[in-house]
Amino acid sequence: DIQMTQSPSTLSASVGDRITITCRASQSISKWLAWYQQKPGRAPKLLIYQASSLETGVPSRFSGSGSGTEFTLTVSSLQPDDFATYYCQQYNSYSITFGQGTRLEIK
Amino acid sequence: EAQLVESGGGLVQPGGSLTLSCAASGFTFSNYWMSWVRQAPGKGLEWVANIKHDGSAKYYMDSVKDRFTISRDNAENSLYLQMSTLSSEDTAVYYCARVGCHDVSSYFCNWGQGVLVTVAS
Repeated sequence: DIQMTQSPSTLSASVGDRITITCRASQSISKWLAWYQQKPGRAPKLLIYQASSLETGVPSRFSGSGSGTEFTLTVSSLQPDDFATYYCQQYNSYSITFGQGTRLEIK
Repeated sequence: EAQLVESGGGLVQPGGSLTLSCAASGFTFSNYWMSWVRQAPGKGLEWVANIKHDGSAKYYMDSVKDRFTISRDNAENSLYLQMSTLSSEDTAVYYCARVGCHDVSSYFCNWGQGVLVTVAS
């Protein structure tokens, strides 16, 4: 299986900050990567697919980039609603895998 | 608007069986692959199984192969997960998810609210 590693595991930031979360794949996955946001007790929400395509209705402060084995999720100016856990997911193979998650907390 | 509603969760003894259901609405169910994704308490997300739009192809994570069966009824807009030989490691919230809303790719664009399965004696 393709292993997905996110960093950092926890990120402390303030409203208005620009933050970046990194996701690394154990082998090339081309552009087949998605990002999700999950809040406690809620289902995940799709933010980005195909590494850089913004899901409908997701604010433009979210952006994704990368290809191959290294990917990033950037939030250009954090809003109070953005504090949550973020997961990357590869879908290059039929055996789908997620990163372990990055918890974004208020500093 | 797409909606997915899971049911069938609960407490089951180790070695037991349980079937989860997911009722879909708001989109043409028969056009999409569907999935089950689970999340153990306090842990990350884990993909469980996928099924092709017509049910002709199914894929599973290694640890559930031969124990879980994904199926669907397109006439009833329903997705199922039959689980057997359950162990404590299967304790999780199970989510039903629609796959690939914008193209034929395996990202999860809509999710149900989740249903808790607890395996304990």
